[in-house]
Amino acid sequence: GAVVSQHPSRVICKSGTSVKIECRSLDFQATTMFWYRQFPKQSLMLMATSNEGSKATYEQGVEKDKFLINHASLTLSTLTVTSAHPEDSSFYICSAKGLAGGISHNEQFFGPGTRLTVL
Amino acid sequence: GNSVTQMEGPVTLSEEAFLTINCTYTATGYPSLFWYVQYPGEGLQLLLKATKADDKGSNKGFEATYRKETTSFHLEKGSVQVSDSAVYFCALPSGSARQLTFGSGTQLTVLP
Repeated sequence: GAVVSQHPSRVICKSGTSVKIECRSLDFQATTMFWYRQFPKQSLMLMATSNEGSKATYEQGVEKDKFLINHASLTLSTLTVTSAHPEDSSFYICSAKGLAGGISHNEQFFGPGTRLTVL
Repeated sequence: GNSVTQMEGPVTLSEEAFLTINCTYTATGYPSLFWYVQYPGEGLQLLLKATKADDKGSNKGFEATYRKETTSFHLEKGSVQVSDSAVYFCALPSGSARQLTFGSGTQLTVLP
């Protein structure tokens, strides 16, 4: 199946700093990428949807100036948590769907997640 | 919009016991249905899926049948192993981008 990677897998930062998380599709073109947030022992909550080359669509209650999403190419999307605070500590997971072998696929492929801890 | 309701956990079973995790859905039309598994500290992996009514998805001994009469997609396994310990999520696509909406997740612990 298609592979999605995330980097870094873990990051610890001080309050007030910004953190960038990368999500890459390794063997297919990701026309759409999704960013999810997961709190301990809870389900995944969709934060935003991004299509390559256009602005991300944020879910209600998600601050777009706080969580900057860039989907500049068909294989890379980034999530930047700006001026991070302890309450932003969470597990962030991306997923992607798109084209493989010239065929559009509706199935989403998930990255392994990034554990963010803000001190 | 589409939604799923998943059996609350946690679920603790002995090895070789039978597993059922209930999932019911509310949807417009008949969307594909999914079960994902999340092992400790990892992202989500697709476990199985069904794309239309009466389809049975299966993988690694797990099965789920898409039942439109009861709007259910219950996950079953006849004999669980310790290595099956994980969190299981039922999901279906919703919204214009067909993003996935997840159930609350069910923590399964299998004891030797």
